[in-house]
Amino acid sequence: KAGVTQTPRYLIKTRGQQVTLSCSPISGHRSVSWYQQTPGQGLQFLFEYFSETQRNKGNFPGRFSGRQFSNSRSEMNVSTLELGDSALYLCASSSENRDLSTDTQYFGPGTRLTVL
Amino acid sequence: AQSVTQLGSHVSVSEGALVLLRCNYSSSVPPYLFWYVQYPNQGLQLLLKYTSAATLVKGINGFEAEFKKSETSFHLTKPSAHMSDAAEYFCAVGLGGGGNKLTFGTGTQLKVEL
Repeated sequence: KAGVTQTPRYLIKTRGQQVTLSCSPISGHRSVSWYQQTPGQGLQFLFEYFSETQRNKGNFPGRFSGRQFSNSRSEMNVSTLELGDSALYLCASSSENRDLSTDTQYFGPGTRLTVL
Repeated sequence: AQSVTQLGSHVSVSEGALVLLRCNYSSSVPPYLFWYVQYPNQGLQLLLKYTSAATLVKGINGFEAEFKKSETSFHLTKPSAHMSDAAEYFCAVGLGGGGNKLTFGTGTQLKVEL
């Protein structure tokens, strides 16, 4: 099976712009989670989608949003970009089971966002 | 709320030496615990996970970890380091009850020297 794919791999934006990142999970996986990775804050959970519904949400401002489509592909959007949004954004997918006792999350390579 | 503390942001070992990466967790309920590895410019790869079965968990690439409830620890070990083990390692905790949210530690950069 193909792994988790994320597009684009690299992105450069300027402050105030908005950006959309895409994640295609492993075939058959219905859960998609997003994480932000920065040198200062480390890995932080953004949100999780399961069968097109947001199941969990981290402590990020409303500028960060996401959605999941019927084919399980997910997008996250960041509006009004700030310099501090520069980060590696990682997407992870897992199987259709309900929770961590049986699920394994598989991570994509990430999208490196630079905000100038 | 759960949290993870990784002691030592940088660890250096000689090739062939024991690798020990420390992780302590805080959780109000029995947690699920994970170790991930990240190579440069790549995503995270799962090494192993603890889900309340055996307390000694064996993972890929010769790594293992032992869950010690009394010490709230989940340290990662490998008997003999290899140059290819050089990477960043993350400990993570999650809770059951639905959902896949993970809380990560700050990571430990492992350097392997000849």
